[in-house]
Amino acid sequence: EPEVTQTPSHQVTQMGQEVILRCVPISNHLYFYWYRQILGQKVEFLVSFYNNEISEKSEIFDDQFSVERPDGSNFTLKIRSTKLEDSAMYFCASSDRDREKLFFGSGTQLSVL
Amino acid sequence: EDQVTQSPEALRLQEGESSSLNCSYTVSGLRGLFWYRQDPGKGPEFLFTLYSAGEEKEKERLKATLTKKESFLHITAPKPEDSATYLCAVSSGGSYIPTFGRGTSLIVHP
Repeated sequence: EPEVTQTPSHQVTQMGQEVILRCVPISNHLYFYWYRQILGQKVEFLVSFYNNEISEKSEIFDDQFSVERPDGSNFTLKIRSTKLEDSAMYFCASSDRDREKLFFGSGTQLSVL
Repeated sequence: EDQVTQSPEALRLQEGESSSLNCSYTVSGLRGLFWYRQDPGKGPEFLFTLYSAGEEKEKERLKATLTKKESFLHITAPKPEDSATYLCAVSSGGSYIPTFGRGTSLIVHP
């Protein structure tokens, strides 16, 4: 069964460093998303991406964040200068024309020290 | 702003002991209400979408129902493998983006 793949599964970085989280969405999907989940809290929407541009973003997704689809298969989330409060599990998701049925990856656990 | 409140936060059941999880929501124009299952260390897994009051969806031991203010996830004769966190989410207005609640952590003891 097709699945969303995220790498790495764990990332440890120093405060102020740049990180790139990588995702390979399901191949025929059209819509791509990043969510995050701080330990013990709810899953929060960051950004959605369609047709090579951001379609929606939340207040969390400020200038420190960016997304890119560098080729036909990868979808990345970049955090330019990480902060302690960026520590969270980051989930990538994708959907086909049924935009409300999201398929999530297993996440990247980001720890900022 | 969409609000989703799930109760209880945690629920322990014996195998075979049926129960219900609640999701109450406040939105401006519900587009859809969703139930997801999340296992530890994994991303949410889609279960159901409900669109209008009175609608019901079933999958194995799970049945989701929807009213104008809340949704219930009924679990009939649960098994230990049903242990997970169950997340409720809503989308509203012109947005297809789900807003999630905090979830209910379900543990089913054999």
